[in-house]
Amino acid sequence: GENVEQHPSTLSVQEGDSAVIKCTYSDSASNYFPWYKQELGKRPQLIIDIRSNVGEKKDQRIAVTLNKTAKHFSLHITETQPEDSAVYFCAASNSGGSNYKLTFGKGTLLTVNP
Amino acid sequence: GAVVSQHPSWVICKSGTSVKIECRSLDFQATTMFWYRQFPKQSLMLMATSNEGSKATYEQGVEKDKFLINHASLTLSTLTVTSAHPEDSSFYICSAREGGGTGNIQYFGAGTRLSVL
Repeated sequence: GENVEQHPSTLSVQEGDSAVIKCTYSDSASNYFPWYKQELGKRPQLIIDIRSNVGEKKDQRIAVTLNKTAKHFSLHITETQPEDSAVYFCAASNSGGSNYKLTFGKGTLLTVNP
Repeated sequence: GAVVSQHPSWVICKSGTSVKIECRSLDFQATTMFWYRQFPKQSLMLMATSNEGSKATYEQGVEKDKFLINHASLTLSTLTVTSAHPEDSSFYICSAREGGGTGNIQYFGAGTRLSVL
């Protein structure tokens, strides 16, 4: 089955700096890669996703890059703010069918210091 | 985005009793729903995949007789923790997949914190 590795497990940055979280996956059939943000005690919320036919996607301060050859994808947050502090999870899945499911990384605790 | 409602948000029960958790997609039909378990400061562990009108598919190591899943309609899935014990105490989160085919987005419920005394 799919295996997703996520690094780092914790990341501390100063407000205004950039943050980068990296993930690798094992199943070359995976073609959908979402990123979720989870604040303490809250539900995971989708912040951005990318599909395998695209190499990069950007939404304001958040961007995701995908390298299918190397089987890794990354989340980039620019101009970080204290409210960006949360746990971020990457995930990978195939596109559909009865075997569809998301496999999550172990998460990255991001702390943005004012 | 789509809304997934999960109830109850918090439940305390005595050891040996059963607890039912509901997961509803409020503004879309969810052919597939998922149940996860999350331990403190850890990732989301998929327990089972629930397809409307069919039996749930359980992940390896998850006891199907202990964690009963029913997905009777396109907007409701339930997880029943039977004969709960303290080791079942955890945060349980459901999610619903919007769209079939190539629609992959999963929306999560707010989670249920189960404490078994």
